[in-house]
Amino acid sequence: DQQVKQNSPSLSVQEGRISILNCDYTNSMFDYFLWYKKYPAEGPTFLISISSIKDKNEDGRFTVFLNKSAKHLSLHIVPSQPGDSAVYFCAASVGREYGNKLVFGAGTILRVKS
Amino acid sequence: ETGVTQSPTHLIKTRGQQVTLRCSSQSGHNTVSWYQQALGQGPQFIFQYYREEENGRGNFPPRFSGLQFPNYSSELNVNALELDDSALYLCASSLASKMNTEAFFGQGTRLTVV
Repeated sequence: DQQVKQNSPSLSVQEGRISILNCDYTNSMFDYFLWYKKYPAEGPTFLISISSIKDKNEDGRFTVFLNKSAKHLSLHIVPSQPGDSAVYFCAASVGREYGNKLVFGAGTILRVKS
Repeated sequence: ETGVTQSPTHLIKTRGQQVTLRCSSQSGHNTVSWYQQALGQGPQFIFQYYREEENGRGNFPPRFSGLQFPNYSSELNVNALELDDSALYLCASSLASKMNTEAFFGQGTRLTVV
């Protein structure tokens, strides 16, 4: 039972353009969502998060959008840079539970071409 | 501020053996979670420890067990290793007293069972 789904295994984008990574979830109890970036041989690095009381959160080149009615969130990276090439994981949790137990999607490989 | 560190980085074990993986949480964090990441998949929640007690468990058999110490460091123990236990094991620390908080990951331990 995949509660968090990233349906695109990979995405290729030209440097300077926008990268859009998508994520869908099924559990309506999720109220806190995070994006992590992972390089080979490293652990996931926290990128940006959003609470379900918001529909948008922005941090520099990264913006996360949340559509609760569609149970969908997306990560926008503008402009994309070659250093952004990595695996991106969407994760969700029931934020009201202390401790933040995360449910991850399978990841999307982003390749930014220079 | 010290990040999350895991040891060892790589490990090869034989089927049926037992293994212990270690994790030092980020300074000031009182909660440690363990995740298993199989090849091509997202991390899967194994269990979480808060103040030396288990605080939630994912869908993993009892041969996966853990400990948290007074300094908030943690161990993951796996008994009777199976070939399917080969994966990247990730430790993440967070501050449980703060809801909707991100978890910070270590670099992981790559376990290979032969």
